[in-house]
Amino acid sequence: ELKVEQNPLFLSMQEGKNYTIYCNYSTTSDRLYWYRQDPGKSLESLFVLLSNGAVKQEGRLMASLDTKARLSTLHITAAVHDLSATYFCAVVYSGAGSYQLTFGKGTKLSVIP
Amino acid sequence: GAVVSQHPSRVICKSGTSVKIECRSLDFQATTMFWYRQFPKQSLMLMATSNEGSKATYEQGVEKDKFLINHASLTLSTLTVTSAHPEDSSFYICSARDRQGRPFQETQYFGPGTRLLVL
Repeated sequence: ELKVEQNPLFLSMQEGKNYTIYCNYSTTSDRLYWYRQDPGKSLESLFVLLSNGAVKQEGRLMASLDTKARLSTLHITAAVHDLSATYFCAVVYSGAGSYQLTFGKGTKLSVIP
Repeated sequence: GAVVSQHPSRVICKSGTSVKIECRSLDFQATTMFWYRQFPKQSLMLMATSNEGSKATYEQGVEKDKFLINHASLTLSTLTVTSAHPEDSSFYICSARDRQGRPFQETQYFGPGTRLLVL
């Protein structure tokens, strides 16, 4: 069974600060996704990471993947209030061709002005 | 990007009634659709995988007779919550897998979600 663990689950940070969210997963996977969810809304796709060493950046967010360590990070640079949301990582389990996504519990980020 | 719609976006119903939620892929064909449930302040939990033209595969602990899934076409899957009870109140989100994408680019596109409140 694929398990995905995120930490921290809650993160309160001041504007302008940097921080990293971690996502560990338990078994080999094809790819890893990061999503953002605002309250009452569905998921917004941020990044898909396909290979070891992959790094993607969009604005103040940067995601990386280490498949050997089964670890992905989402780094926040100089946080702004608009980044306040819940962030989920999700890992594809491709056993039997099902391509299921297994989600972490999410990290609720609050950026304080 | 690909668009997935859900209808209705919000529904309130009385206990004991049935509610149907539709999930449509608007600009691509989806051989596989997934149904998730999300309780407040929790993560998404996969309920079932729906393949066009065949029976859905339910996750452990999900009652297939209560949550009826039909995937009659490549662009439409429906989830019917039968005899709904207050504990079924949740945010239901579908996603669709684009059949045209090459395997390593395959991704799931999420619908906007349906909020169900059972009184």
